Amino acid sequence: QSMLTQPPSASGTPGQRVTISCSGGSSNIGSDYVYWYQQLPGTAPKLLIYTNDQRPSGVPDRFSGSKSGTSASLVISGLLSEDEADYYCAAWDDSLGAVIFGGGTKLTAL
Amino acid sequence: QVQLQESGPGLVKPSETLSLTCIVSGDSISSSNYYWDWIRQPPGKGLEWIGSIYHSGRRYYNPVLQSRVSISIDTSKNLFSLNVDSVTAADTAVYYCARGEILGQFDNWGQGSLVTVSA
Repeated sequence: QSMLTQPPSASGTPGQRVTISCSGGSSNIGSDYVYWYQQLPGTAPKLLIYTNDQRPSGVPDRFSGSKSGTSASLVISGLLSEDEADYYCAAWDDSLGAVIFGGGTKLTAL
Repeated sequence: QVQLQESGPGLVKPSETLSLTCIVSGDSISSSNYYWDWIRQPPGKGLEWIGSIYHSGRRYYNPVLQSRVSISIDTSKNLFSLNVDSVTAADTAVYYCARGEILGQFDNWGQGSLVTVSA
């Protein structure tokens, strides 16, 4: 099944700005909303960004999302060690009639 | 504050049916305008959407799994359920239930239930 494409890993030093990309196509990111999920080690995923760029209540404003064409990005401004986690993007795919996820990006704070 | 809790056997034999329930508290499945979802994660791997059911009963399934999967709602017990038929080792995963306003938006998650398929 088609997936959204994410880099398998990303890293940064505390305080640094980190960007995680998510690439798709016209039938998913290009025509529908993008969502981002954070999964801390050993826990269930948590909604981080919804409808491309909105933060749920309680999510720090150092997390931001954007979408352009068939790609999306998650930006963490001012990386903290507690941000070490796996990050997944997701979108509805009109052609498949399914929710698809990216393969996940493991973020490491150096 | 809505809470979701998965429940079911942790071990299923190959070729049998995997059955899980998600007990919902803090919200009424029948009256709220939400999708009720199942997502799974094989050990050490990424997330896979299994399917969703709307409060009206309309169902959406991952085409890859559609022939083996069914999701249902029990409004009297305020829970929803997942059945996966003819399981193999590839169905070994942590299974999560979730709630969301839009397909793809999973606002609230259960803690997850590990199901191992093994003889």
